[in-house]
Amino acid sequence: GDSVTQTEGPVTVSESESLIINCTYSATSIAYPNLFWYVRYPGEGLQLLLKVITAGQKGSSRGFEATYNKETTSFHLQKASVQESDSAVYYCALGTGNTGKLIFGLGTTLQVQP
Amino acid sequence: NAGVIQTPRHKVTGKGQEATLWCEPISGHSAVFWYRQTIVQGLEFLTYFRNQAPIDDSGMPKERFSAQMPNQSHSTLKIQSTQPQDSAVYLCASSLGGYTEVFFGKGTRLTVV
Repeated sequence: GDSVTQTEGPVTVSESESLIINCTYSATSIAYPNLFWYVRYPGEGLQLLLKVITAGQKGSSRGFEATYNKETTSFHLQKASVQESDSAVYYCALGTGNTGKLIFGLGTTLQVQP
Repeated sequence: NAGVIQTPRHKVTGKGQEATLWCEPISGHSAVFWYRQTIVQGLEFLTYFRNQAPIDDSGMPKERFSAQMPNQSHSTLKIQSTQPQDSAVYLCASSLGGYTEVFFGKGTRLTVV
């Protein structure tokens, strides 16, 4: 079936350290899946961080980046230097075509220590 | 733009009672989605409307759950005879359709006691 697996949290890093949150997907029923990272900051709703529609491409936003790797079915989220304000829950998601329907991973809580 | 508005933000119901959750999508958005979030299952797709028509309800439990979209400005998710296992955060989302960005509301936390 279609599914998303991501790093179990919580992940704790110190400010200015690098970060990687792993995400792998299975898209058996989707010919051309789109991949997304969503984020929920404390007290706020879920919001789109970045998306990549085409395999081999990289998306970036707010210093975060992720590359759509079709060979390894991965879409890892990386940031070179995290800030305390990056503390949030991050969700990797798989788009199931042009409907907008999404399949989410379980989420990874990131805690950045000052 | 107030975003996707969900009401109430919190709802407590007794076991066996009915719960109705409301969603006002972003004006002009033709696609509306409902998701359910629990700690164990994470975010699960429930149902999807496009131009008010139900398109995909593959995630909806077969019993007790129903969703409607009577007009383009709101959608409802109704749970009849609520059970403790229905306790979750219910998220509504909307988009312009197709591959466009999906915007989420802050959710309604339903607690069944």
